[in-house]
Amino acid sequence: QVQLQESGPGLVKASETLSLTCTVSGYSISGAYYWGWIRQPPGKGLEWIGNIYHSGNTYYNSSLKTRVNISVDTSKNQFSLKLSSVSAADTAVYYCARGGTGSYLVFDYWGQGTLVTVSS
Amino acid sequence: QLVLTQSPSASASLGASVKLTCTLSSGHSSYAIAWHQQQPEKGPRYLMWLNSDGSHSKGDGIPDRFSGSSSGAERYLTISSLQSEDEADYYCQTWGTGIWVFGGGTKLTVL
Repeated sequence: QVQLQESGPGLVKASETLSLTCTVSGYSISGAYYWGWIRQPPGKGLEWIGNIYHSGNTYYNSSLKTRVNISVDTSKNQFSLKLSSVSAADTAVYYCARGGTGSYLVFDYWGQGTLVTVSS
Repeated sequence: QLVLTQSPSASASLGASVKLTCTLSSGHSSYAIAWHQQQPEKGPRYLMWLNSDGSHSKGDGIPDRFSGSSSGAERYLTISSLQSEDEADYYCQTWGTGIWVFGGGTKLTVL
């Protein structure tokens, strides 16, 4: 059974960098899958942030592209998110998920999510 | 531009059936999508992927009460024999070249 678990600070100061890690168990992150980050502001819908392929290729939401970096650490079976210059608008629950393979790039396994609050 | 449109809300009675709709933007009517369920205070759960011809494949442990179908640019999620735990937000999701997209979600109320 594939499991994902987000970890990182729950409180970040405005203008600083948000850093989260997703630890994957039950599947090797080196397999031919995409791995992604999605967020959900309080009371709102889901927003795709970006994905990384097992090869290291990255794909970002154009609205966040200048502030986002996603990386992978195959030795730890983890992938990470960095979002710079955060503001109150970045307050959200952040989810990591497996982003599919081949013809079906669906988010088929999700983490439980972690709330990140940006304080002024 | 790849966009998914969903009605904000829907409702149906306990034991009845409901059909939720996700509409693909112009020029993207052949795209496959996925459906996800988010129960209150929980993370999303993958339900199924759904092709333009209506073929679909469900995720692990998804009950037979959940099914998918398609017509043109519309993708449907039908839930039969509604139960109280089906009250949730439902999101459709698709993908293109280097891009993943979510619909705005439909809040389903079970009466």
